[in-house]
Amino acid sequence: ETGVTQTPRHLVMGMTNKKSLKCEQHLGHNAMYWYKQSAKKPLELMFVYNFKEQTENNSVPSRFSPECPNSSHLFLHLHTLQPEDSALYLCASSQHDRSGANVLTFGAGSRLTVL
Amino acid sequence: QKEVEQNSGPLSVPEGAIASLNCTYSDRGSQSFFWYRQYSGKSPELIMSIYSNGDKEDGRFTAQLNKASQYVSLLIRDSQPSDSATYLCAVTSGNTGKLIFGQGTTLQVKP
Repeated sequence: ETGVTQTPRHLVMGMTNKKSLKCEQHLGHNAMYWYKQSAKKPLELMFVYNFKEQTENNSVPSRFSPECPNSSHLFLHLHTLQPEDSALYLCASSQHDRSGANVLTFGAGSRLTVL
Repeated sequence: QKEVEQNSGPLSVPEGAIASLNCTYSDRGSQSFFWYRQYSGKSPELIMSIYSNGDKEDGRFTAQLNKASQYVSLLIRDSQPSDSATYLCAVTSGNTGKLIFGQGTTLQVKP
């Protein structure tokens, strides 16, 4: 496996379900991100982890719960979602350095549909 | 005012023409600028980065940056149907270093 892999690629869930999205990066990067991409809207940053520590929570509702057990794995736990949460969820990684010029490598995304 | 603004398009150009994609940003402290390409149903992939004023060329792609005007553009020469995609402009925040994306411009290259 190379790059950034996300599973599942597609997920359909009811509003009362609990599910998780998984992301794994094989690039040796030290930062990982969750983005939400909805139709006709810019990519929205949700969470950032640097060296396994959460450094950004962009006012995301608590029904989204991230977990970063190590610098290669990132999860997004989903609970009691709403239909408006249906979107493409993208995981990305980067090598965070002092210049701040982080180049992101994205995974293929998990397409979530909430019924 | 949006932090990073792009015309959503679609921008339609004939095969072989030059496609010009534009992006403006609001944060004068921004230092790093990126263009990502996203094919339908796929994830964004980096195609160009630029950090200083002027032009940067890579094959058929040229990125142009004008920090005084807070403007960054991407030119695609000899456009091909395979260039049809959504192009996302991304700019780092001067304060946080966070990457802010525009909504993207859809490019259609017609044979």
